[in-house]
Amino acid sequence: AQSVSQHNHHVILSEAASLELGCNYSYGGTVNLFWYVQYPGQHLQLLLKYFSGDPLVKGIKGFEAEFIKSKFSFNLRKPSVQWSDTAEYFCAVNAPVAGGSYIPTFGRGTSLIVHP
Amino acid sequence: KAGVTQTPRYLIKTRGQQVTLSCSPISGHRSVSWYQQTPGQGLQFLFEYFSETQRNKGNFPGRFSGRQFSNSRSEMNVSTLELGDSALYLCASSWGQGPYEQYFGPGTRLTVT
Repeated sequence: AQSVSQHNHHVILSEAASLELGCNYSYGGTVNLFWYVQYPGQHLQLLLKYFSGDPLVKGIKGFEAEFIKSKFSFNLRKPSVQWSDTAEYFCAVNAPVAGGSYIPTFGRGTSLIVHP
Repeated sequence: KAGVTQTPRYLIKTRGQQVTLSCSPISGHRSVSWYQQTPGQGLQFLFEYFSETQRNKGNFPGRFSGRQFSNSRSEMNVSTLELGDSALYLCASSWGQGPYEQYFGPGTRLTVT
């Protein structure tokens, strides 16, 4: 069964600091990768996604992620965080299963707190 | 477009009871997935429905079941509730059955006492 690991469970930063959240997955075939964000009191929403092509993908609010196939990683980055980035971040992988459908697997999430 | 809606938003039940949660997907979305979110386990996939058929199922006991109607609305049922079923239950919809991004509802907070 596939799994997704997010190494940082809690991250605390000051505004303007750089951010990198790690995500590794275990699946040897073609995958589709996502980062979702859950702001306090709001729904989970898509931050960015990778299906194919350029391994460096850009998302909303200045976030980007890099897919490194050889490392089975899809790390999320932002050069300068803001207080409003305080949220929980989830990495997710969609991998194909028999029958042509896809099973989504989420990491346990990383709680990011940004101090003003 | 209206987002994914879930009802009720909050529920308190007693051990042994059963509960039914409802989800209305975004108009035009045909796939509905359900997740259990807890602080310790994160999001765990329960099942996915597409065109009224369960396509995939996560590793949950048979007490957890669901169904999808012809208008793509979905319900999830948990029978014989246990304390450990206390969680936020999230519904997500997507356009089709594939690796598409999902759109999440606000969730139903279930507390079992």
